Amino acid sequence: KAGVTQTPRYLIKTRGQQVTLSCSPISGHRSVSWYQQTPGQGLQFLFEYFSETQRNKGNFPGRFSGRQFSNSRSEMNVSTLELGDSALYLCASSLTSGSRQETQYFGPGTRLLVL
Amino acid sequence: KNEVEQSPQNLTAQEGEFITINCSYSVGISALHWLQQHPGGGIVSLFMLSSGKKKHGRLIATINIQEKHSSLHITASHPRDSAVYICAVRFTNTGNQFYFGTGTSLTVIP
Repeated sequence: KAGVTQTPRYLIKTRGQQVTLSCSPISGHRSVSWYQQTPGQGLQFLFEYFSETQRNKGNFPGRFSGRQFSNSRSEMNVSTLELGDSALYLCASSLTSGSRQETQYFGPGTRLLVL
Repeated sequence: KNEVEQSPQNLTAQEGEFITINCSYSVGISALHWLQQHPGGGIVSLFMLSSGKKKHGRLIATINIQEKHSSLHITASHPRDSAVYICAVRFTNTGNQFYFGTGTSLTVIP
């Protein structure tokens, strides 16, 4: 089975622009979670989608949004980029959202640099 | 408040040494995961624990629910174990989201 894929892998944007990142989960997985990783804050939860519905949202401003399609692929969007949005954005998929005991499988991440 | 603390932050060991990384959390959890992140960013889930102990090769993970503490042990460490190890928990008072420790950067010297 193919793993979780994320595109693009690297991205450079300037302040004020917007960006869309994509995540394709493992085939059959219906839950996709997004995380931001920075040297200062470490890993932080952004949001989780299951069956095209946002199930959980972390403590991030409204500039961060996401969606999930019927094939479970997910996108996240960041509008009006700020320098502090420079980070590694990771997505992870799992079979379901209901089981808290379930393992998540992480993608390689998209490294975003905001200039 | 939901908090996860991990120690040490950095660790350097000689090849062959026994390594322990610790994780403490503030309130009840439904599960604790140990993650490994190699340079370049990719994260691999090593263990998921809700009680007791798990072993996979040279890696052993334990959890003490009463003390709200987990440890990751690496026996006979090897340079390929060099990575960042991250503790991630799901608290019972929140949804499915993970809360993460700050990570332990491990370097194993040949």
